Amino acid sequence: ETGVTQTPRHLVMGMTNKKSLKCEQHLGHNAMYWYKQSAKKPLELMFVYNFKEQTENNSVPSRFSPECPNSSHLFLHLHTLQPEDSALYLCASSQQGSENTEAFFGQGTRLTVV
Amino acid sequence: SQQGEEDPQALSIQEGENATMNCSYKTSINNLQWYRQNSGRGLVHLILIRSNEREKHSGRLRVTLDTSKKSSSLLITASRAADTASYFCATGKAAGNKLTFGGGTRVLVKP
Repeated sequence: ETGVTQTPRHLVMGMTNKKSLKCEQHLGHNAMYWYKQSAKKPLELMFVYNFKEQTENNSVPSRFSPECPNSSHLFLHLHTLQPEDSALYLCASSQQGSENTEAFFGQGTRLTVV
Repeated sequence: SQQGEEDPQALSIQEGENATMNCSYKTSINNLQWYRQNSGRGLVHLILIRSNEREKHSGRLRVTLDTSKKSSSLLITASRAADTASYFCATGKAAGNKLTFGGGTRVLVKP
């Protein structure tokens, strides 16, 4: 395990549902990220949080709403999603402040929108 | 095209052979990293090479970086069936640790 835990591992939701993805890191890092991985596409960075503050939103639709209550926890709130939002959602963390550090990823949440 | 593009997209080799994959990028970088992903799971960091380094080794992995050509290569020597995975390069820029990933190379090592 990498020290980054994501729940749930699998999620099936209808287009009218509201659900949340959770990420927790036990590494003492100060930066957390949400990535989306769709079939046959490169990983897409969605959101970046540094010291609990959102520093990047990569033109993500408002039906995805991130929340970072502290530097160890990151949520992604989902509502009125579309079938094309089905993907593997990956959370990662790293130590901001050093230019040459690696990112640690969770195992991902496989989301299916029906 | 994407920052960090891997080539080839897919690679099939026999156990014991070497596997080489390449990554090209477009903008200036602070470092280039390689990650591995087993099917449908999270990414695992393999190796990081800084922009002022030309070659780095870690176990059976060898990474090169040519900043003049904006390219990197990952060599896996004496491959094993357990090396079957997708391999991604990611570039780290000067500002922060935001990583930009390529599309990956799917490697199949046949026993």
